[in-house]
Amino acid sequence: EAGVAQSPRYKIIEKRQSVAFWCNPISGHATLYWYQQILGQGPKLLIQFQNNGVVDDSQLPKDRFSAERLKGVDSTLKIQPAKLEDSAVYLCASKSGRGSYNEQFFGPGTRLTVL
Amino acid sequence: AQRVTQPEKLLSVFKGAPVELKCNYSYSGSPELFWYVQYSRQRLQLLLRHISRESIKGFTADLNKGETSFHLKKPFAQEEDSAMYYCALIKETSGSRLTFGEGTQLTVNP
Repeated sequence: EAGVAQSPRYKIIEKRQSVAFWCNPISGHATLYWYQQILGQGPKLLIQFQNNGVVDDSQLPKDRFSAERLKGVDSTLKIQPAKLEDSAVYLCASKSGRGSYNEQFFGPGTRLTVL
Repeated sequence: AQRVTQPEKLLSVFKGAPVELKCNYSYSGSPELFWYVQYSRQRLQLLLRHISRESIKGFTADLNKGETSFHLKKPFAQEEDSAMYYCALIKETSGSRLTFGEGTQLTVNP
């Protein structure tokens, strides 16, 4: 089966600009996650969707970050305006079913550099 | 709040030597523990989970609730084991949110 797809793979912007990332999960996976991974750290969850509803966005900086999954399939994550500290790899992951035992499958990530 | 600690950022061993990657967690409940691995230029992927009590690629990990640890072990390291390893946990009340440690870069020298 095809894996989680993300685009773009790399993005360089200047601070205060806007940027958007796209994720296409594995077909049939109801749960979708966005993680932020800053250099030298482990991934940190930003937001979790179950179908098109938000399950957990407690760690999402809502003043500048937003995410949507309108049709319960693809998702976009937006940053507006970007800050220097947003430089990181943004990972999308998906999982089938509700059980926490089910494996999360990760995409290749989008590496964002904010200058 | 829950926390996962991997005390070694870098670990280097020789091929054939035993290897142990340490993971400690702080959480008072009953978490689920996982090890994820990222090989060079590949995606982050699940290596093993404590609930399965399985051995994957020769690696095992035992959950020690008394010491709140979930160390990853392999008796004879191979060069292809060189990768970044992340320990992670899920709180039983958090749905499926993974909390990751900062990772350990394992290098197996020939």
